[in-house]
Amino acid sequence: DGGITQSPKYLFRKEGQNVTLSCEQNLNHDAMYWYRQDPGQGLRLIYYSQIVNDFQKGDIAEGYSVSREKKESFPLTVTSAQKNPTAFYLCASRFTGFGNQPQHFGDGTRLSIL
Amino acid sequence: AQSVSQHNHHVILSEAASLELGCNYSYGGTVNLFWYVQYPGQHLQLLLKYFSGDPLVKGIKGFEAEFIKSKFSFNLRKPSVQWSDTAEYFCAVKTSGTYKYIFGTGTRLKVLA
Repeated sequence: DGGITQSPKYLFRKEGQNVTLSCEQNLNHDAMYWYRQDPGQGLRLIYYSQIVNDFQKGDIAEGYSVSREKKESFPLTVTSAQKNPTAFYLCASRFTGFGNQPQHFGDGTRLSIL
Repeated sequence: AQSVSQHNHHVILSEAASLELGCNYSYGGTVNLFWYVQYPGQHLQLLLKYFSGDPLVKGIKGFEAEFIKSKFSFNLRKPSVQWSDTAEYFCAVKTSGTYKYIFGTGTRLKVLA
């Protein structure tokens, strides 16, 4: 089945450590996105990528980094510079070829600080 | 800056009651509008979308939304809710010429059986 796979589902990090969240899609979508979801704040955009080897900062990019070396993969690294990393992280993708297509979402990764 | 406002943060209804969730956005140009739903323990799913044409859009599970351009609104409605509609609902806007989506803060709906 086609879809977006985020792993792991739960992740624990010690203070001062970097951690990488995986996002893989087999939908042949061009654009991929990372959001952070906090209670009462909805989804806030961290980074997005329209094509391979290109990505743009979203509204809350500080303390995060991404790469887009392959079309199907868009990993997110939460660095030690992110002061409040505990949150639910959602990856999404979208086909940009014909007209306006909606985003499809993964199941998310919940990151907690030990 | 562009923004999306969802005025109702928590809504509690009894089964068979009618539902209307508000969504307003701030952008004067062409927009694409979406409502997503997140059921407990599940990923976000598209409920309905508006790109152009008829401003009354019908989605899955009996939901509909009306785009009123003059009011910058895209309210979600359902005539009769069910217990299974308990979820969090997000309104989202994409402005033309960009790949960026802006989401509202969400509305948690609880339907009492």
